[in-house]
Amino acid sequence: DGGITQSPKYLFRKEGQNVTLSCEQNLNHDAMYWYRQDPGQGLRLIYYSQIVNDFQKGDIAEGYSVSREKKESFPLTVTSAQKNPTAFYLCASSRGPKETQYFGPGTRLLVL
Amino acid sequence: AQSVTQLDSQVPVFEEAPVELRCNYSSSVSVYLFWYVQYPNQGLQLLLKYLSGSTLVKGINGFEAEFNKSQTSFHLRKPSVHISDTAEYFCAVSGAFDSSYKLIFGSGTRLLVRP
Repeated sequence: DGGITQSPKYLFRKEGQNVTLSCEQNLNHDAMYWYRQDPGQGLRLIYYSQIVNDFQKGDIAEGYSVSREKKESFPLTVTSAQKNPTAFYLCASSRGPKETQYFGPGTRLLVL
Repeated sequence: AQSVTQLDSQVPVFEEAPVELRCNYSSSVSVYLFWYVQYPNQGLQLLLKYLSGSTLVKGINGFEAEFNKSQTSFHLRKPSVHISDTAEYFCAVSGAFDSSYKLIFGSGTRLLVRP
């Protein structure tokens, strides 16, 4: 079955620690996205990638970094510079702009 | 730039009753419109989308939405809801003819179906 996987389902971060969230897709989609979801605020775009080895900042990129070395993978690192990282993180992919975005099951990040 | 307003944060309704979830958008250009559903602790799933053509769009699970350009609205409706429809629903918009990859999401409406 084609789809998007995210791991882990839950992730705990200590103060000053960088953590990396995994996102893998086997839909052969060129575009991938990372969103942050907070209660009552909907989804906000962190980063997106149109194609391998290219990525663009979204609306709330500060404190986050990404890489896109393979078409299938788009990991997100939450750095120590992100002072309020507790949220639900969603990865998505699409064939291109304006195409339907398909979402993974999400990773919930909590701060210890 | 586009924006989306979902006026109701929560909509309680009894099982088998009809429901309408409201979505209004703001844009100076033509738009594409989407409705997504999110079940607890899961990702989002596309319910339906409007790209062009007929203003009445039918989606999965018996949902439909009507694009109203003059009122800049894209309200979601279902004639008879089930307990399993309890979820959060998000309206989203993108510019139709720009090169942007961005989808702008509303803040969501929680549909609570009671027996």
